[in-house]
Amino acid sequence: LAKTTQPISMDSYEGQEVNITCSHNNIATNDYITWYQQFPSQGPRFIIQGYKTKVTNEVASLFIPADRKSSTLSLPRVSLSDTAVYYCLSPLYGGATNKLIFGTGTLLAVQP
Amino acid sequence: GAVVSQHPSWVICKSGTSVKIECRSLDFQATTMFWYRQFPKQSLMLMATSNEGSKATYEQGVEKDKFLINHASLTLSTLTVTSAHPEDSSFYICSARDFRSGVNQPQHFGDGTRLSIL
Repeated sequence: LAKTTQPISMDSYEGQEVNITCSHNNIATNDYITWYQQFPSQGPRFIIQGYKTKVTNEVASLFIPADRKSSTLSLPRVSLSDTAVYYCLSPLYGGATNKLIFGTGTLLAVQP
Repeated sequence: GAVVSQHPSWVICKSGTSVKIECRSLDFQATTMFWYRQFPKQSLMLMATSNEGSKATYEQGVEKDKFLINHASLTLSTLTVTSAHPEDSSFYICSARDFRSGVNQPQHFGDGTRLSIL
């Protein structure tokens, strides 16, 4: 399991684009990068996942450079409701034991 | 999309009581489910891996006799906190992944169970 490192907190304002970078220097060949969002008193919610280059869905984009030692979650035009903790994870796929080990996550605070 | 349901969403009980928490995958089957615990302002801590039809695998430092896990079917895992004490008060969350849909499918989480022991 690749250990991930991300900033503990970030501040932003409504309407801005937010980029949260995660470092995973010892990522293995088979590891994907997955991002989750968690609101207080709720379970984490899947946002986006990727292996390399760029992945985009309706809520976010994920940029992964060629060496895959880091990744950046991009949230376009954030709103107050995007205030949450964002976790970067790198589970090892293959077999039944795809454990997710959570790091500290990044607390994103969006202000009006 | 894949939905994981937990029940109950919150429970308050007296010290010494045993409490059972259910985790169900509603629209997919899961041979493996995971149980986490989260204390206030902290990250999720993996407690154990629940395996359908076999014994659970516990993370280091988690008492298997304290936290009993049963995974009797492909859609249901239960976590029983036995003889709960105030220090067991926490937010318990389960997750599961649809293994039939491919190895790179992400895990989906339940909404958690808030356990308060008086």
